[in-house]
Amino acid sequence: AQSVTQLDSQVPVFEEAPVELRCNYSSSVSVYLFWYVQYPNQGLQLLLKYLSGSTLVKGINGFEAEFNKSQTSFHLRKPSVHISDTAEYFCAVSLTGGGNKLTFGTGTQLKVEL
Amino acid sequence: KAGVTQTPRYLIKTRGQQVTLSCSPISGHRSVSWYQQTPGQGLQFLFEYFSETQRNKGNFPGRFSGRQFSNSRSEMNVSTLELGDSALYLCASSLAPAATNEKLFFGSGTQLSVL
Repeated sequence: AQSVTQLDSQVPVFEEAPVELRCNYSSSVSVYLFWYVQYPNQGLQLLLKYLSGSTLVKGINGFEAEFNKSQTSFHLRKPSVHISDTAEYFCAVSLTGGGNKLTFGTGTQLKVEL
Repeated sequence: KAGVTQTPRYLIKTRGQQVTLSCSPISGHRSVSWYQQTPGQGLQFLFEYFSETQRNKGNFPGRFSGRQFSNSRSEMNVSTLELGDSALYLCASSLAPAATNEKLFFGSGTQLSVL
């Protein structure tokens, strides 16, 4: 079975500073990787996903993530954060051909401060 | 285009009761998935439906069930409610399952409180 680890439960950062949210996964077979964002009292919104090809994936709102197969990581980065980026971020995996059955990490609360 | 609509938004039930939650996918989407979100367990997959057929199921007891109608709307039912069933239940839809190149759209969820 696959699993996802988000080591940082909370990440505080000042506005306009860079940020990296870490995600590691475990799976014995090929997976697809996703990052979702959840704003208060809302559902999840897809930021970006890695299916195949280029290991650097660019998403919405200026976020990007890099797939590293040898380190089984899929860290999310943004060079300059804004107050509006304050939210909870979830990393997720699905098996190739596994439909919409996603396994999520426990989430990282990003808090952007002035 | 309207997003994924979940009703009701909030629900309060007592132990032992049953509850039905509703999800209307985005128009044209035929795949609907359900997730449970709790502070302790995080987001966990419940089940996925496509064309009225359950295609995937998570590790939840049989008290949790679902169905999908011909118009792609979906309902999930939880019988004999327990305190631990208190959670945010999220519904997500996509054009098709095995959604490698498709995007999952989530609703805002139904917040269920069991007293």
